Amino acid sequence: AQSVAQPEDQVNVAEGNPLTVKCTYSVSGNPYLFWYVQYPNRGLQFLLKYITGDNLVKGSYGFEAEFNKSQTSFHLKKPSALVSDSALYFCAVSPATSGTYKYIFGTGTRLKVLA
Amino acid sequence: DARVTQTPRHKVTEMGQEVTMRCQPILGHNTVFWYRQTMMQGLELLAYFRNRAPLDDSGMPKDRFSAEMPDATLATLKIQPSEPRDSAVYFCASGGQTNTEAFFGQGTRLTVV
Repeated sequence: AQSVAQPEDQVNVAEGNPLTVKCTYSVSGNPYLFWYVQYPNRGLQFLLKYITGDNLVKGSYGFEAEFNKSQTSFHLKKPSALVSDSALYFCAVSPATSGTYKYIFGTGTRLKVLA
Repeated sequence: DARVTQTPRHKVTEMGQEVTMRCQPILGHNTVFWYRQTMMQGLELLAYFRNRAPLDDSGMPKDRFSAEMPDATLATLKIQPSEPRDSAVYFCASGGQTNTEAFFGQGTRLTVV
């Protein structure tokens, strides 16, 4: 079965420190990979995507993500966390064979950046 | 600033009543999704339209839920009759042909009492 795992329910990091939010997936073929962020009482906002090419992709608000095909991972990173980065982060995968948009979402990781 | 618009933002209704949620996708987008978010189940895909035609509604309870796109600027999700277990946040999202990411609305928070 196709799935996306975000192994950590919550990640705490001090402001100014680097952060990593983990995502692994189990999807056949070469899926498209995404990260979204959700602030309280808001919809999901697109952060970045990997379709093909360079394994390190850069996105909004200083976030980047590293695709690792052998480990089937797509971890979200930021060199220096801000308190305003505190939110719920979702990894999503779209199996390329199904056409884009049919996302499989992870369960989300709550990021808490401490001042 | 193009965005997906959902109405209403909040809805409280009694069990057994009909609920209709509306979504205006971004102009020019031809793909529309409905997702449901709960603490227990996370984000679940309910239905998915392309060019107004339903492509996948396998995630939707067929006996009480229905989704339609009467025209390219309006998508609706209807629950009849509503039940307390339908309480959730319902998100609409849209996407265009040249993009692979979807854009989400702010959601409708439904409470069925």
